[in-house]
Amino acid sequence: DSGVTQTPKHLITATGQRVTLRCSPRSGDLSVYWYQQSLDQGLQFLIQYYNGEERAKGNILERFSAQQFPDLHSELNLSSLELGDSALYFCASSGPGLDSEQYFGPGTRLTVT
Amino acid sequence: GQQLNQSPQSMFIQEGEDVSMNCTSSSIFNTWLWYKQDPGEGPVLLIALYKAGELTSNGRLTAQFGITRKDSFLNISASIPSDVGIYFCAGRRTGNQFYFGTGTSLTVIP
Repeated sequence: DSGVTQTPKHLITATGQRVTLRCSPRSGDLSVYWYQQSLDQGLQFLIQYYNGEERAKGNILERFSAQQFPDLHSELNLSSLELGDSALYFCASSGPGLDSEQYFGPGTRLTVT
Repeated sequence: GQQLNQSPQSMFIQEGEDVSMNCTSSSIFNTWLWYKQDPGEGPVLLIALYKAGELTSNGRLTAQFGITRKDSFLNISASIPSDVGIYFCAGRRTGNQFYFGTGTSLTVIP
């Protein structure tokens, strides 16, 4: 158990809908990262937050947005969903140190039908 | 975004054999990490490396931080069936995001 929690574990929804994925980082970690992993693909970095502020942006679509709240949990919002958005979405967290390691949550499997 | 070059892409080996994989980049990193991912699960951190030239072991796993800071290597000795999975390397420049390799899929034949 990495200490990073994600909910829900599975999500099935229809095209055009909007969903929210939730992540709680490990205790004491300030950074939260979101990744997308499509079938048999590598990890695509979406976005990073550090202590409530956006720190880095990767290949995140305009239909996607995220935020980190004062209690450090984070949410990833996916809207106008398309079939191609079906994937595993991982959250990871790392500590405040500049060379802190990164730990992953168990992921949310999103299926868009 | 930038991805690291990881090789080989896949490996099929006999149980008991040793395994080597590596990760290279055109950029310098301050931290190298190695992860293992089982199907449908989140990547699990295996080894973290912080200094050029550093050699670190975790059981049958040994990883090295390349002296140029642009590469890293992971070795698995005496492979067993539960070593099956996808192995990812990740590099980090101080304070910034992590960059991931494309993964090495390992199959161990009993």
